[in-house]
Amino acid sequence: KNQVEQSPQSLIILEGKNCTLQCNYTVSPFSNLRWYKQDTGRGPVSLTIMTFSENTKSNGRYTATLDADTKQSSLHITASQLSDSASYICVVSDRGSTLGRLYFGRGTQLTVWP
Amino acid sequence: EADIYQTPRYLVIGTGKKITLECSQTMGHDKMYWYQQDPGMELHLIHYSYGVNSTEKGDLSSESTVSRIRTEHFPLTLESARPSHTSQYLCASSAPPDRGNVEAFFGQGTRLTVV
Repeated sequence: KNQVEQSPQSLIILEGKNCTLQCNYTVSPFSNLRWYKQDTGRGPVSLTIMTFSENTKSNGRYTATLDADTKQSSLHITASQLSDSASYICVVSDRGSTLGRLYFGRGTQLTVWP
Repeated sequence: EADIYQTPRYLVIGTGKKITLECSQTMGHDKMYWYQQDPGMELHLIHYSYGVNSTEKGDLSSESTVSRIRTEHFPLTLESARPSHTSQYLCASSAPPDRGNVEAFFGQGTRLTVV
């Protein structure tokens, strides 16, 4: 069964600190992995996307890593800001269907305190 | 900034009412999707479309229906709303795969409350 598991479920950090979010998946055949940021009551916004041949991708203070062998990914946030408070969702797509199915994790709820 | 729009953003209606949630995209994408998301939970696919006149049911059973008469519009309709339909509804569209990548863009969502 294709699944995406994220940890931790929630995380509270102080402004300026770094943090790392984890994503494990069993989706096969794997196409790509994407991290989304979702503010409360809004739609997800893409942060990074990685294919199986990429093991790291950065977008400003966000750095995602991918280990396609162990089927694990992480999202590292550097020097957190209050605006980083949001849900971070790991999304894996397969390449076994015309649709290119998207499999969503439940997200990690990050709260940044001043 | 993705050009995909949902209206209304928030909606509170009475039980038994018929409602239509609108979704429009100006990117010319063939594939469009509707997801349902409860607070703190993952997105569940309820409907999708490969293009005009194509509609399919997703993973999560839903009493809603969709139509795709034009490429840019993918409205979702509830014939008779019930409190169990209270949720956030997210519309998305995707660009053609590029070397296996499926780029998906999401609307801002519609928060539906049925009282």
